[in-house]
Amino acid sequence: RKEVEQDPGPFNVPEGATVAFNCTYSNSASQSFFWYRQDCRKEPKLLMSVYSSGNEDGRFTAQLNRASQYISLLIRDSKLSDSATYLCAVNWASGSARQLTFGSGTQLTVLP
Amino acid sequence: NAGVTQTPKFQVLKTGQSMTLQCAQDMNHEYMSWYRQDPGMGLRLIHYSVGAGITDQGEVPNGYNVSRSTTEDFPLRLLSAAPSQTSVYFCASSGGTGRIYNEQFFGPGTRLTVL
Repeated sequence: RKEVEQDPGPFNVPEGATVAFNCTYSNSASQSFFWYRQDCRKEPKLLMSVYSSGNEDGRFTAQLNRASQYISLLIRDSKLSDSATYLCAVNWASGSARQLTFGSGTQLTVLP
Repeated sequence: NAGVTQTPKFQVLKTGQSMTLQCAQDMNHEYMSWYRQDPGMGLRLIHYSVGAGITDQGEVPNGYNVSRSTTEDFPLRLLSAAPSQTSVYFCASSGGTGRIYNEQFFGPGTRLTVL
């Protein structure tokens, strides 16, 4: 079993749709969780951190479910510009406290 | 701030050649890391450093060396390039405190092809 798993997609949704991605992690001691966005042939960029209480940034909402060991990302009112690959990242207890383990990414295409 | 910079952007090597991928950051971050990204495999950690003079292996360290003589620079050396090392290489750094402690910032990447 992979330490961090994501549905690779692709998710093809029409503009204006709501789409949700999940990411499961295997280590219950994980402390920090993030969503990154990666455009084609570009570097990953931090989209948002995921806090225990859940957090929202405009059309994006991130939530953490420690009991079931997954994080989620909800995108409302999808825009064409949201088309990208979304990577989840989890802090791993072994190694450096700053070390992140990444999922393989979920590809989103928003269609006109 | 330039953030995290990487050179070169593209590189083609022949099997057996060696080279160094450069990474620098100007944010005074203590933590730096190297990842490789292959289709369907996500980002895999090669080596990381928690400060100048301190490095450690990640998930896929074989065939790569690193050193960290300064806070700013973290070069990655390919000792004897193999076609299996064809990949996109990303350098990242982090150095915040509190809630942003683990937030990593990535460089633009180096696309390496080994023939």
